Amino acid sequence: GAVVSQHPSRVICKSGTSVKIECRSLDFQATTMFWYRQFPKQSLMLMATSNEGSKATYEQGVEKDKFLINHASLTLSTLTVTSAHPEDSSFYICSATPSGTYEQYFGPGTRLTVT
Amino acid sequence: RKEVEQDPGPFNVPEGATVAFNCTYSNSASQSFFWYRQDCRKEPKLLMSVYSSGNEDGRFTAQLNRASQYISLLIRDSKLSDSATYLCVAWGQTGANNLFFGTGTRLTVIP
Repeated sequence: GAVVSQHPSRVICKSGTSVKIECRSLDFQATTMFWYRQFPKQSLMLMATSNEGSKATYEQGVEKDKFLINHASLTLSTLTVTSAHPEDSSFYICSATPSGTYEQYFGPGTRLTVT
Repeated sequence: RKEVEQDPGPFNVPEGATVAFNCTYSNSASQSFFWYRQDCRKEPKLLMSVYSSGNEDGRFTAQLNRASQYISLLIRDSKLSDSATYLCVAWGQTGANNLFFGTGTRLTVIP
């Protein structure tokens, strides 16, 4: 149980384009999903918290207009990196929390490379 | 000061050794605590939750000390497969702003 999927697992895009990453909880409902970014040899950095049916809460320093988050259902949240630049290249990981718990289950991550 | 602090290591221990990691947190409102392990270039995986009374899962024991605001993870009889980065997490009850990951402690178990 508690499986989270992410798609795509790897994406290479050109500078200026937008990329959408999907995060799905496969066998549970997740009121809350989180989006993280991790640069090589650095710790996870929380970008935003996504609550189903409401606007996402962004961490300080994360541009909400650049990283668009939509949590339209209890099993799906999407992160769209708009007008991507090479410095946005990173490992993006989502996590989902089963309703009523504080445990997070992580997706396998999406490795984004912007050329 | 970081909200959650961990010794980054690396800890290099021989197989069979016992190793302990500590993690301190600064937000006294934190209510839930967890240990995750992360393998290189992979996502974190939940290792265990940390309860006030302490809890054990096989070779792993987690402890919480609210007075001193630290949590610990003890690994007994280390296996080669235990090599990974161990992350501690402190989470408050009042929203995402109280969710903090430590930077992780790197463990390498040597044959």
